[in-house]
Amino acid sequence: AQKITQTQPGMFVQEKEAVTLDCTYDTSDPSYGLFWYKQPSSGEMIFLIYQGSYDQQNATEGRYSLNFQKARKSANLVISASQLGDSAMYFCAMRLPGKLIFGQGTTLQVKP
Amino acid sequence: GAVVSQHPSWVICKSGTSVKIECRSLDFQATTMFWYRQFPKQSLMLMATSNEGSKATYEQGVEKDKFLINHASLTLSTLTVTSAHPEDSSFYICSARDLGREGETQYFGPGTRLLVL
Repeated sequence: AQKITQTQPGMFVQEKEAVTLDCTYDTSDPSYGLFWYKQPSSGEMIFLIYQGSYDQQNATEGRYSLNFQKARKSANLVISASQLGDSAMYFCAMRLPGKLIFGQGTTLQVKP
Repeated sequence: GAVVSQHPSWVICKSGTSVKIECRSLDFQATTMFWYRQFPKQSLMLMATSNEGSKATYEQGVEKDKFLINHASLTLSTLTVTSAHPEDSSFYICSARDLGREGETQYFGPGTRLLVL
């Protein structure tokens, strides 16, 4: 079965510290893509980072990096130097043929 | 970057009326757009895939006569909620797939909050 799982409903992090948001997936397709999106309280979905299944290196975009462990089927998002504006809901998603499926989401709160 | 707009951002309507929501890709052409529904504190639920020039593909359990989708051009898809009822109140969000981007990334509109009284 093709599935994507986020097991942390909520996370807290102190401002300026790093935080890891967990994501595991399951697919039998050798070619797939993994995405992270941020959804602030306004509701818009903001694309953060992408990792392809054949990519040799972990993806990075500014303060965001994706810790891709293919054998473990995990694609954790690492946010470095957290900022107050990082407080939001974060979704991991996997590209299937023709569509994306989303995890349950993790609400991140950054404490000043 | 890829920009997707959605209109209106808010709509309040009476039960029994129909509501049309527009989704536009502003700086790229999108042969495929997607419509999602999201309840508070929950994940996005895919309702349908909108294909330019052809019929939409609906997910299991989504009534195609209730949620009409039209993808008339490479930059515009519309979702019409017909004869809306209070249980249709939700956050509706569209996305457009940019085939020119790595991973065929989907970019999302800002969403439409629908409240049916």
